[in-house]
Amino acid sequence: SAVISQKPSRDICQRGTSLTIQCQVDSQVTMMFWYRQQPGQSLTLIATANQGSEATYESGFVIDKFPISRPNLTFSTLTVSNMSPEDSSIYLCSAAWGGNNEQFFGPGTRLTVL
Amino acid sequence: GENVEQHPSTLSVQEGDSAVIKCTYSDSASNYFPWYKQELGKGPQLIIDIRSNVGEKKDQRIAVTLNKTAKHFSLHITETQPEDSAVYFCAAGSSNTGKLIFGQGTTLQVKP
Repeated sequence: SAVISQKPSRDICQRGTSLTIQCQVDSQVTMMFWYRQQPGQSLTLIATANQGSEATYESGFVIDKFPISRPNLTFSTLTVSNMSPEDSSIYLCSAAWGGNNEQFFGPGTRLTVL
Repeated sequence: GENVEQHPSTLSVQEGDSAVIKCTYSDSASNYFPWYKQELGKGPQLIIDIRSNVGEKKDQRIAVTLNKTAKHFSLHITETQPEDSAVYFCAAGSSNTGKLIFGQGTTLQVKP
């Protein structure tokens, strides 16, 4: 498995602002994903981050709210836009290598919106 | 839509006992079934997985079984230890998309 890091590890933000979360993998990966994990809950897939093209969003998530970039095979960002307290959650990125589907997670970014 | 049901939501066992967590999935196209362990304040850690062409897989004290016909899969932990205490998630996915759908999680407590 590779080492996956996220920045920031946590943040407290004001309502109406935006936060960009970075995800860095120490080797080239085929696929990268972004998940949300609300307190005490399971993981919900937000989108698949596609290298060089627009992300593929799951039902209930839209690009205007969660713009995603993936400029290369090792890096992706997720922006949480125009935040409200309901966006308070842990945001996790994951990476997978083609063929075997094994998906590994970063440590998460704990976001609190006041 | 696609759904993964996981039971029980909480499980408390004595150290040395076995623990079993069960999941069912709805999407017949699912062919990959990983299990994750998540400790407090950390990201999920892949502990074992199974693919649709295999009925059982074992790695030391943990094993997974898969019944594709019934769309059931289970995690078995033997000789539990206090450090096994964590939240465990099952997931189901497709090799075509790589996407995973997660179960609701099971909080396992192993009492010393």
